[in-house]
Amino acid sequence: AQSVSQHNHHVILSEAASLELGCNYSYGGTVNLFWYVQYPGQHLQLLLKYFSGDPLVKGIKGFEAEFIKSKFSFNLRKPSVQWSDTAEYFCAVKSNYQLIWGAGTKLIIKP
Amino acid sequence: NAGVTQTPKFRILKIGQSMTLQCTQDMNHNYMYWYRQDPGMGLKLIYYSVGAGITDKGEVPNGYNVSRSTTEDFPLRLELAAPSQTSVYFCASRSGTSANNEQFFGPGTRLTVL
Repeated sequence: AQSVSQHNHHVILSEAASLELGCNYSYGGTVNLFWYVQYPGQHLQLLLKYFSGDPLVKGIKGFEAEFIKSKFSFNLRKPSVQWSDTAEYFCAVKSNYQLIWGAGTKLIIKP
Repeated sequence: NAGVTQTPKFRILKIGQSMTLQCTQDMNHNYMYWYRQDPGMGLKLIYYSVGAGITDKGEVPNGYNVSRSTTEDFPLRLELAAPSQTSVYFCASRSGTSANNEQFFGPGTRLTVL
């Protein structure tokens, strides 16, 4: 069965630092990939998604992710983080009717 | 549109009590989902529905039941609450018209079973 791994459970960065959060899924073929964000006290919302085409996907709030098929990866990046990016980030892959979720990465940005 | 709404926001139950978590969406979405979110575990799918009258088990269905009598509503029932069901529960929905669409989430219900 498909599975998703997010290797960093907690990340602490200073403002203006660059961010990369790792996401790997377990098997290939055609995949649909997502990054969701959950800000403190709020519900999950979509940051970006990949279905086909350009493997570099741009999302909201300056986030982007790169799909690397050979590495089964879909890492999330942002060149310069802000305090308001403090949140929990979840990677997910579509499997039939469902999304299979990673465990999440808690990102804390120090002002 | 209100999107996906859930009630209640918080609830404390005693072991053995029952309750229903309500979920409603006003986007005319065919697909609806119930997840639980435990710290460090991500989201686990409890049940899902592909349309009114059709439900199916997800990864962790034991101890829960669902029904889908209308497109809008997808209640989750806990019959005999146990401490292991302490969690945050999220309902989500998505349109069934396209494969490449996102799930929209409700604000969650934080349930504690003591």
